[in-house]
Amino acid sequence: AQSVTQLGSHVSVSEGALVLLRCNYSSSVPPYLFWYVQYPNQGLQLLLKYTTGATLVKGINGFEAEFKKSETSFHLTKPSAHMSDAAEYFCAVSDPRNQGGKLIFGQGTELSVKP
Amino acid sequence: DAGVIQSPRHEVTEMGQEVTLRCKPISGHNSLFWYRQTMMRGLELLIYFNNNVPIDDSGMPEDRFSAKMPNASFSTLKIQPSEPRDSAVYFCASSLAEFAYTDTQYFGPGTRLTVL
Repeated sequence: AQSVTQLGSHVSVSEGALVLLRCNYSSSVPPYLFWYVQYPNQGLQLLLKYTTGATLVKGINGFEAEFKKSETSFHLTKPSAHMSDAAEYFCAVSDPRNQGGKLIFGQGTELSVKP
Repeated sequence: DAGVIQSPRHEVTEMGQEVTLRCKPISGHNSLFWYRQTMMRGLELLIYFNNNVPIDDSGMPEDRFSAKMPNASFSTLKIQPSEPRDSAVYFCASSLAEFAYTDTQYFGPGTRLTVL
C-alpha cells in the first residue's frame, strides 16, 4: 500500500530564508505526487503536482518540488520565505493502479515564518 | 465562481443527534469528494462521487455515516446518530475530470463539527 511520510510536523524559518519541506513516499510504481497548502480556517489549495515528464515542477507562490525516484522523495522548496507562507503543507500521493488512485495525504507540516 | 460552498461552517451538537453537512461543488465539476480531518488520523477520504454516482465509499467509517448527491450541484453527508469521536473538520472538494484523483481538487472551507 502507498504511504506518505512528511519529516517534521513543524518547521520554522526566518523571513527571506530557504524553505525546505520534506516528503517521502512508498509506492511499488512511480506515483503521481502533490503538494497542497492549507491556510488557517481554510480548505486545501493545490500548490503543484507531478504526473509525468519533467521531474522539477514549479507551482504557485514561488514554490517548486523535485521528484527523485531513486530517493522516493518529493521535497518542496522556496528560495526565500515570506510571512504569507505561514500555513500547513500536505504532501499527497496517488497511484491509479493501486487503491483506485485515491489521494493518500501525509500528516502535514506546519510552516512558521519569523520576521 | 464562488468556489466550493459548505454549510454550516461550524456545528455543535449533542451525542445521539443527527447531523447533516452540505456541499455545493463548483459548477461544471463532475467529481465530488468528502474528507475528514482530525489530529489523530490526518486527512482521510470518506467518499467519492462521479457524475452524482458514488464510486468509492470505502472510507466511510460505519453505517452511521451516509452521503448522497441528488444532483450535480448538491451533496450531503449525514451522521446519525452522532458520537463524540465524530468531532472533526469535514471538507468537501470537487474536480473537473472524470478520473479525478489526479486532477486538481478544489476544497471548500470545511465544516468544524463538535459532538458533545
